[in-house]
Amino acid sequence: EPEVTQTPSHQVTQMGQEVILRCVPISNHLYFYWYRQILGQKVEFLVSFYNNEISEKSEIFDDQFSVERPDGSNFTLKIRSTKLEDSAMYFCASSEGTPQGTQYFGPGTRLTVL
Amino acid sequence: AQTVTQSQPEMSVQEAETVTLSCTYDTSENNYYLFWYKQPPSRQMILVIRQEAYKQQNATENRFSVNFQKAAKSFSLKISDSQLGDTAMYFCAFMKHRDDKIIFGKGTRLHILP
Repeated sequence: EPEVTQTPSHQVTQMGQEVILRCVPISNHLYFYWYRQILGQKVEFLVSFYNNEISEKSEIFDDQFSVERPDGSNFTLKIRSTKLEDSAMYFCASSEGTPQGTQYFGPGTRLTVL
Repeated sequence: AQTVTQSQPEMSVQEAETVTLSCTYDTSENNYYLFWYKQPPSRQMILVIRQEAYKQQNATENRFSVNFQKAAKSFSLKISDSQLGDTAMYFCAFMKHRDDKIIFGKGTRLHILP
């Protein structure tokens, strides 16, 4: 069964550094998402992406964050200058034909900012 | 704003027993979707069951069923004949109609004991 994949599984970075988290959504899916979960807290929506543009973003998704679909298969989340509070598990998800379709989640990337 | 509350942080039951996980939510919307996601240890979140708010009939998927009480804004998950593989974190979640972001509860960690 097709799955969403994410790399790396764990990323450690120094405060102020740029990081790129990578996701490969399910191949025929059209809607892409990023969520994050700070340790001990709820999974929170960051951004949704459709037709090569952001369709919705949360207040967390400030100018330090950007998303891109650089080719036909990858979907990336870039954090330009990481802060300690960016340490979290980041989940990518994709859904098929409509925004209300089932969202399929990847295994997550654990980002640790030192 | 919509919120989802799971009041049981952790539960343990014996294999083959039936267990019910609680979830309440708050919304002023009339059309929306409710979900239960399961996240096994070190694996990705997968959708267990989905309920459309306009449907009065409770959704079922094999051993998993929900008790959807729209007026009470309650959406509990019942797992019958629990199995060791049901050990996981379970997230209750909400999505408005015509929206694409999922709002999650904090999760209930369920342990199925042999």
